[in-house]
Amino acid sequence: GEDVEQSLFLSVREGDSSVINCTYTDSSSTYLYWYKQEPGAGLQLLTYIFSNMDMKQDQRLTVLLNKKDKHLSLRIADTQTGDSAIYFCAETGDTGFQKLVFGTGTRLLVSP
Amino acid sequence: DAGVTQSPTHLIKTRGQQVTLRCSPKSGHDTVSWYQQALGQGPQFIFQYYEEEERQRGNFPDRFSGHQFPNYSSELNVNALLLGDSALYLCASSLKGDRDIQPQHFGDGTRLSIL
Repeated sequence: GEDVEQSLFLSVREGDSSVINCTYTDSSSTYLYWYKQEPGAGLQLLTYIFSNMDMKQDQRLTVLLNKKDKHLSLRIADTQTGDSAIYFCAETGDTGFQKLVFGTGTRLLVSP
Repeated sequence: DAGVTQSPTHLIKTRGQQVTLRCSPKSGHDTVSWYQQALGQGPQFIFQYYEEEERQRGNFPDRFSGHQFPNYSSELNVNALLLGDSALYLCASSLKGDRDIQPQHFGDGTRLSIL
């Protein structure tokens, strides 16, 4: 079955790096996503990685994928107070019509 | 370029009532998915519409139904509302690619409260 797990909470100081981890179970997942949700808002797509890639970098964001261990991580460099939010990992299958399966989210708190 | 828009933003209903939520996809997108996000949880997939047909459905009862219009906009209908239906309902749109998966972009959601 499909399941995505994340740690619930992460606290860092402004300027540090943040690493948010995720594990998933569906080995057929083709794409893995990171979304950000601020209070009272919808989900903002941050980045995504294709399953045949190990790493993807996009400005301050670095995604690492270990397909053997089904482990995904999101690193945010030089974390700012504006990065405080809930971060969701999501996986999807390999069909054209695909649903996203989300984790429960990791709440990131950045203190000054 | 307008993103995904949802209406209304907030809604209060009582048990047993029916509700209709609306979604306009991002410009150029043809696929609409609906998700339910309970408080403190990740979004749960309800169903997805493409070419005005329901293409995939999650583990939700038949009380949840939907529709997609020729202009790609969509509605989510929930009948016989229960207290447990209180949640943030999120609409996501994407472009169905023939070979590549296209990422889903979300609206800000409709907060539904059942009294």
